[in-house]
Amino acid sequence: SYVLTQPPSVSVAPGKTARITCGGNNIGSKSVHWYQQKPGQAPVLVIYYDSDRPSGIPERFSGSNSGNTATLTISRVEAGDEADYYCQVWDSSSDHLGVFGGGTKLTVL
Amino acid sequence: EVQLVESGGGLVKPGGSLRLSCAASGFTFSNAWMSWVRQAPGKGLEWVGRIKSKTDGGTTDYAAPVKGRFTISRDDSKNTLYLQMNSLKTEDTAVYYCTTSGIAVAGDAFDIWGQGTMVTVSS
Repeated sequence: SYVLTQPPSVSVAPGKTARITCGGNNIGSKSVHWYQQKPGQAPVLVIYYDSDRPSGIPERFSGSNSGNTATLTISRVEAGDEADYYCQVWDSSSDHLGVFGGGTKLTVL
Repeated sequence: EVQLVESGGGLVKPGGSLRLSCAASGFTFSNAWMSWVRQAPGKGLEWVGRIKSKTDGGTTDYAAPVKGRFTISRDDSKNTLYLQMNSLKTEDTAVYYCTTSGIAVAGDAFDIWGQGTMVTVSS
């Protein structure tokens, strides 16, 4: 089955840039979606199709995808960005059609 | 307001059954492809399965761990999605989310989520 690998944790100081990676075999050929989940809440879509932002998501959130790595970038990080972040793809060859990464806990120092 | 509201969670013994419901409002439910995603306590998100719209065939797909035990269905007249869970195992303990795509944004990203319902499988 298709596997997405994320670092368990990323730490960043307020005002700096956080980069969260999502690794997968030739992931650049797939469309990657990113979700933010705060404690006790449902996930929220923050980036879709690699780099598009839904309405209401700050421009500080951006995404890219190439080769074997997709990246979620959060610029000018704020305390309110502290959350778990998950990448997700669809993989028709997998026994998990919808595949999520293991998640990354973003800590704002 | 676009909304998904799950219900039906609770405590069940191993080997037991449970049916979850997800009531949709604020969008054309009959056109939507619907999925269930679960999250075990302290763990990450796991896709459980999906059902396509009837116009797209109404077919279902399931993740390997639940295939043959879980069944997803829909009642478009009631704007409701269901998850029938049989032969439950302790490892099925999780918050179960109902989610859909193509509502707030075009495409197949999960753009609308319910608040989740907790299922605990324990003796």
